[in-house]
Amino acid sequence: QQQVKQSPQSLIVQKGGIPIINCAYENTAFDYFPWYQQFPGKGPALLIAIRPDVSEKKEGRFTISFNKSAKQFSLHIMDSQPGDSATYFCAASGIQGAQKLVFGQGTRLTINP
Amino acid sequence: DAGITQSPRHKVTETGTPVTLRCHQTENHRYMYWYRQDPGHGLRLIHYSYGVKDTDKGEVSDGYSVSRSKTEDFLLTLESATSSQTSVYFCAISEVYEQYFGPGTRLTVT
Repeated sequence: QQQVKQSPQSLIVQKGGIPIINCAYENTAFDYFPWYQQFPGKGPALLIAIRPDVSEKKEGRFTISFNKSAKQFSLHIMDSQPGDSATYFCAASGIQGAQKLVFGQGTRLTINP
Repeated sequence: DAGITQSPRHKVTETGTPVTLRCHQTENHRYMYWYRQDPGHGLRLIHYSYGVKDTDKGEVSDGYSVSRSKTEDFLLTLESATSSQTSVYFCAISEVYEQYFGPGTRLTVT
């Protein structure tokens, strides 16, 4: 029940395309859902996050869509660029006290020029 | 990296030896965390702290201990390192929702 399942494991998209990464969770106590971007040799960097009181959140070219009834959320990257090539992780936690994040397995995204 | 440093950045050690990794923050955030990252597993929480001398176990705490004697420092100790503890270790901090990660320590146990 603590798992967050992420798909696909890897994704290749042409420049300008819209990669979509999906995550599903079981624990209904989760109410904070961040996405992290990680480049090789670096720590994960917080990209965007959503709470379940909204169905969509946009920050620049990055959009989270959230479906509370299906317990699913996804990341869309608009007008993707080669510099977006990285590994992306979804995560989930409660909001009371420490943020004990449960991570998905990661998606390695490649944007071809 | 949001005012988080980790030391050492790389370490090679032998099976059975003790190892201590250090996380230092300059943000005065209340919560600190240790995660490990392994291929196919994403990041998994080892231990976390909710204040000085206040710590608790995460998902994969066996074989690890932690200590926090000052707000800014969070130590992770492997009492007797095993090959299964070869991994990349990340420290993170948070105050409310957003959690920020350090640059990581790559540990190899031979």
